[in-house]
Amino acid sequence: DVKVTQSSRYLVKRTGEKVFLECVQDMDHENMFWYRQDPGLGLRLIYFSYDVKMKEKGDIPEGYSVSREKKERFSLILESASTNQTSMYLCASSTGQSLEQFFGPGTRLTVL
Amino acid sequence: SQQGEEDPQALSIQEGENATMNCSYKTSINNLQWYRQNSGRGLVHLILIRSNEREKHSGRLRVTLDTSKKSSSLLITASRAADTASYFCATDPVDTDKLIFGTGTRLQVFP
Repeated sequence: DVKVTQSSRYLVKRTGEKVFLECVQDMDHENMFWYRQDPGLGLRLIYFSYDVKMKEKGDIPEGYSVSREKKERFSLILESASTNQTSMYLCASSTGQSLEQFFGPGTRLTVL
Repeated sequence: SQQGEEDPQALSIQEGENATMNCSYKTSINNLQWYRQNSGRGLVHLILIRSNEREKHSGRLRVTLDTSKKSSSLLITASRAADTASYFCATDPVDTDKLIFGTGTRLQVFP
């Protein structure tokens, strides 16, 4: 089975801190995605990557950056955390751009 | 704006009843997928239906797709308390290279 893991289930940070969210998949998937999920807004795509060292902006990239140095790892970086970045962050991977995505368990981030 | 909009937003039923959730979208698609999310967890893929398919089954799940109406429905038959979760549709528009998720339907199945 595909396994997508995220570094933390819960995270509490202070405004202005630099935050790293790590995602690792073990099925050699080319594509990886970062979403945030907020009540009433569904899932919104932050960034995605179709290959190592490659990244594409999603719908809401402002305030975020990503890094993909290895195929299995996709990191989301909040350069200077703000309270409006308090959210559930979900990582996903897939073998094709529009086929089934496999999700990690999510990281609930609270920025105080 | 959201590509997929689920209806209803919330649904409560008794065990054994059927649950039907609908999804409407705006643009032409390559495929439509349904996902399930248990509270506070990640999403799990349930089923994918391609634009040239009209109906698909998987166990107790039945998905229909009407591309002329730009809508899909997910039917869960003989529901169980364990089906309690949020259900999301996700569309793969022909003019983009990413999935667009709806806002979900919260299903509560009472034992």
